[in-house]
Amino acid sequence: DAMVIQNPRYQVTQFGKPVTLSCSQTLNHNVMYWYQQKSSQAPKLLFHYYDKDFNNEADTPDNFQSRRPNTSFCFLDIRSPGLGDAAMYLCATSRARTAVSEKLFFGSGTQLSVL
Amino acid sequence: KQEVTQIPAALSVPEGENLVLNCSFTDSAIYNLQWFRQDPGKGLTSLLLIQSSQREQTSGRLNASLDKSSGRSTLYIAASQPGDSATYLCAVQTGANNLFFGTGTRLTVIP
Repeated sequence: DAMVIQNPRYQVTQFGKPVTLSCSQTLNHNVMYWYQQKSSQAPKLLFHYYDKDFNNEADTPDNFQSRRPNTSFCFLDIRSPGLGDAAMYLCATSRARTAVSEKLFFGSGTQLSVL
Repeated sequence: KQEVTQIPAALSVPEGENLVLNCSFTDSAIYNLQWFRQDPGKGLTSLLLIQSSQREQTSGRLNASLDKSSGRSTLYIAASQPGDSATYLCAVQTGANNLFFGTGTRLTVIP
């Protein structure tokens, strides 16, 4: 009954080798988010999509890009992963944009290792 | 910029104890405050959401309060159980459609 599904659960890549993380949702939510969480740190927002409207946080590195081909799927592309990009990547969804009662629903995350 | 602080960073309690986790934030212009649970190596599970106009929310053994003017929230867990062991994160949602998270409190409930 998973509602936000992230694949793969664990991803190992080599320094500089492009990698793509995927997220799908069965909630039909309009908004999808990508967060990066490094060990013992707070999750940090990288991007969000409101429908097809892409929003990039100001301090998200250029190395990170995202695609949302349809409502259900969203991808995070890391063009040239560095050692500092090793982290848990969390996908989340919400029904609408900013609102007082909007909950976020998170996937289980993809743990990325860079060798 | 909004900053969210959680104290303590880690807490160990014997089973059955009631406990309080603390969260503070610097900018009171928030839409809501949310408490999440995160198990090791897993994603986040939403526990409670308090709208900016509300003072508290309850779900089972959990009660969260919000004092927006002082920039504080507490999560009260009654009759703690070993299954409550996890990291608890609070987050505030701002008008910029962003959730600002604290670094969490790692709770261990000892049987």
